Amino acid sequence: ETGVTQTPRHLVMGMTNKKSLKCEQHLGHNAMYWYKQSAKKPLELMFVYSLEERVENNSVPSRFSPECPNSSHLFLHLHTLQPEDSALYLCASSLSVRFTDTQYFGPGTRLTVL
Amino acid sequence: GDSVTQMEGPVTLSEEAFLTINCTYTATGYPSLFWYVQYPGEGLQLLLKATKADDKGSNKGFEATYRKETTSFHLEKGSVQVSDSAVYFCALSGASYKIIFGKGTRLHILP
Repeated sequence: ETGVTQTPRHLVMGMTNKKSLKCEQHLGHNAMYWYKQSAKKPLELMFVYSLEERVENNSVPSRFSPECPNSSHLFLHLHTLQPEDSALYLCASSLSVRFTDTQYFGPGTRLTVL
Repeated sequence: GDSVTQMEGPVTLSEEAFLTINCTYTATGYPSLFWYVQYPGEGLQLLLKATKADDKGSNKGFEATYRKETTSFHLEKGSVQVSDSAVYFCALSGASYKIIFGKGTRLHILP
């Protein structure tokens, strides 16, 4: 039990659909992250929020839109995705964005784009 | 830029065998080093970390020593179990929250 939950765990969507991924942390942390994990590639950092403000937008296409309404919740809104966006999307949180603070990961959402 | 290189997998061992997964890094300054583990169907969990040269991180029988002279952080365990089957990621963190991950090494332990 990591204290970071993600829903749904699996999602299949067409290229014209709109869907959202949800992440919730129960650790009292102030920083939250979205990562993309593709086969045969290292984890890619997508977005970082600190105290609900975005501090990193790592050249991610605009078809991915993050939202952080409070320090416990993080969303990733998806629209008009491409098949190459199929991947495991991981959420993480940490006490702050200091590099000494350990990041705790959720179980991920396995996304398949048809 | 900073980078992490770890041995290609999969690695297949018998139960109670000795495990080494090699990891080397390139970084400016003095990064913190990590090993994360990902069990099937789960997210990443921090296994151990070391924040300065010659530190040894340890957890659940796994160990890794921060070797600045060889820029390495090899993961070792004296006697592996079937339950250790997972993907292991070496990673580093420099002066910011950005963690640089290796590509991962899949470990299979046979009973």
